[in-house]
Amino acid sequence: DAMVIQNPRYQVTQFGKPVTLSCSQTLNHNVMYWYQQKSSQAPKLLFHYYDKDFNNEADTPDNFQSRRPNTSFCFLDIRSPGLGDAAMYLCATSRVLGETQYFGPGTRLLVL
Amino acid sequence: AQKVTQAQTEISVVEKEDVTLDCVYETRDTTYYLFWYKQPPSGELVFLIRRNSFDEQNEISGRYSWNFQKSTSSFNFTITASQVVDSAVYFCALSDPNSNAGKSTFGDGTTLTVKP
Repeated sequence: DAMVIQNPRYQVTQFGKPVTLSCSQTLNHNVMYWYQQKSSQAPKLLFHYYDKDFNNEADTPDNFQSRRPNTSFCFLDIRSPGLGDAAMYLCATSRVLGETQYFGPGTRLLVL
Repeated sequence: AQKVTQAQTEISVVEKEDVTLDCVYETRDTTYYLFWYKQPPSGELVFLIRRNSFDEQNEISGRYSWNFQKSTSSFNFTITASQVVDSAVYFCALSDPNSNAGKSTFGDGTTLTVKP
């Protein structure tokens, strides 16, 4: 089945230790998004790629970066995780901007 | 600017009751999409429905139905004969494919608890 896959599902890292979350899709969608979701809150968009075009949200900390080496894969790099970065990270895709987004199962990040 | 309001933070019902989740939106755009997503305890957001701003037809899918009214800027979601498996957080969202960079604006979500 076509889908959005995120690995790992759970990630534990130490304060200040870089971590990379991965997302892959078999939908061949042009757009890939990264969201941060904290408990009892709506998902917060960090950035998105439209093909190779990277679009960063104005309030996304510099600590968060992303790479999209090809259509299928997108990575979220957190250079120096702080305790406040502990959250669920959701990857989503859509065919074009504004259309239905399909989400992966998320990666729950714990920072010790 | 776009805004989505889900005034009900939490709703609790007993199994087999009907329940309606409210969603009110604000946009100056004439072309937009409205969505509902379900987020069960596992965490994955599951797409439920998309409506185009030009299509005000209500929709029914099994026990789920959606009432879209442009006159009141509302897109409400009703679950008939609720079941325990319906327990989840439900998000309403709005996007405009022609502006705001096509990004979606999410409401804060409504947590639905269905008790046996």
